[in-house]
Parts: sequence; C-alpha cells; structure tokens
Amino acid sequence: EVQLVESGGDLVQPGGSLRLSCAASGFTFSNYWMRWVRQAPGKGLEWVATVTQDGSGKYYVDSVKGRFTISRDNAKNSLYLQMNSLRAEDTALYYCARVVSSAEKYFDYWGQGTLVTVSS
Amino acid sequence: DIVMTQSPLSLPVTPGEPASISCRSSQSLLHSNGYKYLDWYLQKPGQSPQILIYLGSNRASGAPDRFSGSGSGTDFTLKISRVEAEDVGVYYCMQTLQAPITFGQGTRLEIK
Repeated sequence: EVQLVESGGDLVQPGGSLRLSCAASGFTFSNYWMRWVRQAPGKGLEWVATVTQDGSGKYYVDSVKGRFTISRDNAKNSLYLQMNSLRAEDTALYYCARVVSSAEKYFDYWGQGTLVTVSS
Repeated sequence: DIVMTQSPLSLPVTPGEPASISCRSSQSLLHSNGYKYLDWYLQKPGQSPQILIYLGSNRASGAPDRFSGSGSGTDFTLKISRVEAEDVGVYYCMQTLQAPITFGQGTRLEIK
C-alpha cells in the first residue's frame, strides 16, 4: 500500500525556518517525481515545488524561489522541504504528493499534510 | 502563468440529479504528444485531494463510473451522472502542461 506521511510542521515566527519531511512507503520511491502542494486555511490548492527522480531537477513557484529548497534522499525513501525566511502568507497545510509519471504528470497519491503556521 | 477558471464556485445538487462543473484555461492544454494536461481532483471534507479524472477524460482507478471528463484545448467539463451524498466536497481542476502548475479556485458541491 502506498503511503506518504508528512511531518515537521509547527508554529514559527516570521523570518524563521522549518524543515518538512515526507516518508514514503509501499512503492519504489526513486522511480517517481515528487511534489509539495500547500493549502492555506480555508483556501484552494497551490503547487509549491517539484523534484525529479534523482533530485537533479527542481522547480518552484515564484513566491518561494530563493527561500524554499526541495530535496530527497532515495536511500531513506524521504522527501524534504527546507523553508527559510518564512512569511505569514506561507501559513498552510503542506502536502507531499507522488507524480504518476513524467509523461502523465498528475498526482496519484497524497499524504495527509503537515500544518505550518507563521505568526509572532 | 496559465490561469484556470472554474464555474460555478458553489453547486447545490439534489441526490440522484446530474451535475456539471466547467474549467477554462487561459491557454490551450493540448500538448504536441496528444495529451490534454488537465486533471480533476475531489477534496472531501477533512481529507486530502484525490484524483478523479486525468489527462482530460481518463477516469482514475477507484473513481466511480458516474464521473466523466471531457473537453477541448481550453474548455473542460467534469460531469457527475447521478450525484450521491458521498460526492460532497470541493472539486479542483489542475493543469500540468507548463510550470507553474496551477489549480482552479475550486467548486464546492453540496447536497440540497
């Protein structure tokens, strides 16, 4: 059974940092692109970042470029999101999601999310 | 960026009746490989989103056959043939043709 379990969400002050993790199981992690998607309270979905299978390709939404870094450790079946210089507008539930294939591109599995709150 | 516009934003439906949600993109989502990079997700209350329809018209594994997707390069439609109580939630369209990936605003389906 495919499972994605996020962790690391917390309350952090503006300007602070946080590292989110996503533990994957039930599939060959290294074969898949992975993404982070966020959802602000009561709002819609926003793509944040994508990483290719071997970690060499990384893509970000403009609002997080230079502040967030997506990475992965295929030996540990884990996906990460390093978040620096956090702002109030980064407050959201952060989901990790698996990309079915680089050709078809849709998300076939999502985690349950981890909550990041940026507030003083 | 490709802008995705859904309508309606709120959709009250009587159980057993059909329902339809529209999604329009600011650019064609048809790739030269023949794929239309438009997907539909349902986020049930308190849950993560789940895939319903991928590449415009392909029903995802586990999605009930009352759900169907159709559309051309910029105009897409999700149809529910007969709404059931378990279909309540927010429906999102999403384009993955080009970065940044963008979502529609969401359509909230509620039961009358």
